[in-house]
Amino acid sequence: GNSVTQMEGPVTLSEEAFLTINCTYTATGYPSLFWYVQYPGEGLQLLLKATKADDKGSNKGFEATYRKETTSFHLEKGSVQVSDSAVYFCALSKETSGSRLTFGEGTQLTVNP
Amino acid sequence: EAGVAQSPRYKIIEKRQSVAFWCNPISGHATLYWYQQILGQGPKLLIQFQNNGVVDDSQLPKDRFSAERLKGVDSTLKIQPAKLEDSAVYLCASHLYVNTGELFFGEGSRLTVL
Repeated sequence: GNSVTQMEGPVTLSEEAFLTINCTYTATGYPSLFWYVQYPGEGLQLLLKATKADDKGSNKGFEATYRKETTSFHLEKGSVQVSDSAVYFCALSKETSGSRLTFGEGTQLTVNP
Repeated sequence: EAGVAQSPRYKIIEKRQSVAFWCNPISGHATLYWYQQILGQGPKLLIQFQNNGVVDDSQLPKDRFSAERLKGVDSTLKIQPAKLEDSAVYLCASHLYVNTGELFFGEGSRLTVL
């Protein structure tokens, strides 16, 4: 079946540090890949997505590239801010509509000033 | 645009009691999902509705969980009787059902079973 594995967390960084959160997946065919973010006290919201191999999703300074050869979709940001502190979830879907998401375990990011 | 509304935000019950959660999706969103998020884990799909019909309930523990979406708008998720392992956040999400790849989530209902 489909599955998503995220790097073990939590992650604590200083402001302006470089961020990488690793995500690998197992799925047949060509899934769509997503990063969702959950800020404190808020619901999950879509951060970025990629629907085919070599696509790069980007939003709010975050980027992730769909690598089919390594079945990965690592999240990166060049310079994190305190406001980026949140829980980040990698997810996949077998349908481009984004329905029936399979989520990873989530990674708690804390950015200190 | 109003977001996905859920209530109650918090609920504490004893095992074997019953509980119900309510969700009102974004207006016009035909597809509605209920997810269960246990502490330290990612959300897991319980059930998916398209309008008032069930599309996928393969992961719903039907001996104790039930869900309905009678008029194709708001939805109710019920647990009866609750077990300790049902302690989790129950997330409702909706989707316009076009190929945008974006689900809109509510803030969730946190259940604690004692």
